[in-house]
Amino acid sequence: GAGVSQSPSNKVTEKGKDVELRCDPISGHTALYWYRQSLGQGLEFLIYFQGNSAPDKSGLPSDRFSAERTGGSVSTLTIQRTQQEDSAVYLCASSLSRAGADTQYFGPGTRLTVL
Amino acid sequence: AQSVTQLDSHVSVSEGTPVLLRCNYSSSYSPSLFWYVQHPNKGLQLLLKYTSAATLVKGINGFEAEFKKSETSFHLTKPSAHMSDAAEYFCVVSGFINKFYFGSGTKLNVKP
Repeated sequence: GAGVSQSPSNKVTEKGKDVELRCDPISGHTALYWYRQSLGQGLEFLIYFQGNSAPDKSGLPSDRFSAERTGGSVSTLTIQRTQQEDSAVYLCASSLSRAGADTQYFGPGTRLTVL
Repeated sequence: AQSVTQLDSHVSVSEGTPVLLRCNYSSSYSPSLFWYVQHPNKGLQLLLKYTSAATLVKGINGFEAEFKKSETSFHLTKPSAHMSDAAEYFCVVSGFINKFYFGSGTKLNVKP
């Protein structure tokens, strides 16, 4: 079946602009996660959704970052007033449930470059 | 709280020789542990996972890992490296809730 998809695959933007990154999880997966992979920082957790609600937003680096999920499916990560330090690969993952043992399936990522 | 330490940032082996990638974890809850592989410009792919069943876990492509609670370790091994194994490997721990904590990654280089 189809895996997790993300769009766009690459995004180049100017400092100060807003960007939206999209994630389509595997059909039927109730849990959805956003991570950021950057040089020198490794992979860091941003936010997690169970259905449409976000019980854990603890990883969002600032109030410029927000995310929503609609219909228990598609999620959008929005970064307002982008800064150069936001440049990274943003990864989305989904899992069947939020149980700790569930495998997370990752999308290919969106590479964001802020000039 | 959960955390993961991958002890080697880079490992280099010759093709046909064994691979050992080391991972130690810390968890206040009975953990689930995963190894993922990331090939250049590709997404993260699950290699194997431990979820409190058998302590020796076999994964894809001949990899396996052993959960050792007394040593808080979950090292990844493969008897014979192949050129296609060259990639970055991530050890991951999660607790009661499926929030992943990633290690810093180990880049595996395989020499011909």
